[in-house]
Amino acid sequence: KAGVTQTPRYLIKTRGQQVTLSCSPISGHRSVSWYQQTPGQGLQFLFEYFSETQRNKGNFPGRFSGRQFSNSRSEMNVSTLELGDSALYLCASSNTGYTEAFFGQGTRLTVV
Amino acid sequence: QKEVEQDPGPLSVPEGAIVSLNCTYSNSAFQYFMWYRQYSRKGPELLMYTYSSGNKEDGRFTAQVDKSSKYISLFIRDSQPSDSATYLCAMATNAGKSTFGDGTTLTVKP
Repeated sequence: KAGVTQTPRYLIKTRGQQVTLSCSPISGHRSVSWYQQTPGQGLQFLFEYFSETQRNKGNFPGRFSGRQFSNSRSEMNVSTLELGDSALYLCASSNTGYTEAFFGQGTRLTVV
Repeated sequence: QKEVEQDPGPLSVPEGAIVSLNCTYSNSAFQYFMWYRQYSRKGPELLMYTYSSGNKEDGRFTAQVDKSSKYISLFIRDSQPSDSATYLCAMATNAGKSTFGDGTTLTVKP
């Protein structure tokens, strides 16, 4: 069974640009959650999508948005990038949405 | 105050030692408790998942949950150098959102 796939693995962007990250969950999983991981803040919850609907949202500004497609693949978009957005962005795939989540390798975003 | 507080570490132990990793929480609505292991430059990997108070064992790993004290622990017996990683506790409510601890970095020395 294929695991969670995130693309791209690494990304360098300039302040003010926007970026789109992609996550393909495990086949059959309907929930995809996104997290930001930084050394200072740990793993911070961004949002969760379940069957194409945003079910939960963390405390991030509106520059962070996401969506989920009918095949459960999900994208996360960050607009007007700031230096502080540099982080490892992880997505997690789950059957239920809050237990036994399986993480991808992450996308390491560097904003310069 | 954070909803989930994890012993910060880092922790360094000799091979074969018993390791205890701990988290406390403040939200009584948490019902699901997880432990993840994260190797450098990798995503977290689910180690243990428990629902109720008590102990759950899986090989060398034992997860313990005490809801009355709002305290969870992960014990690693006969620790190996390959156990060297960052360990994250996570908790979730029925509403579907997980909250993670900041992680404890463990080094097991041969």
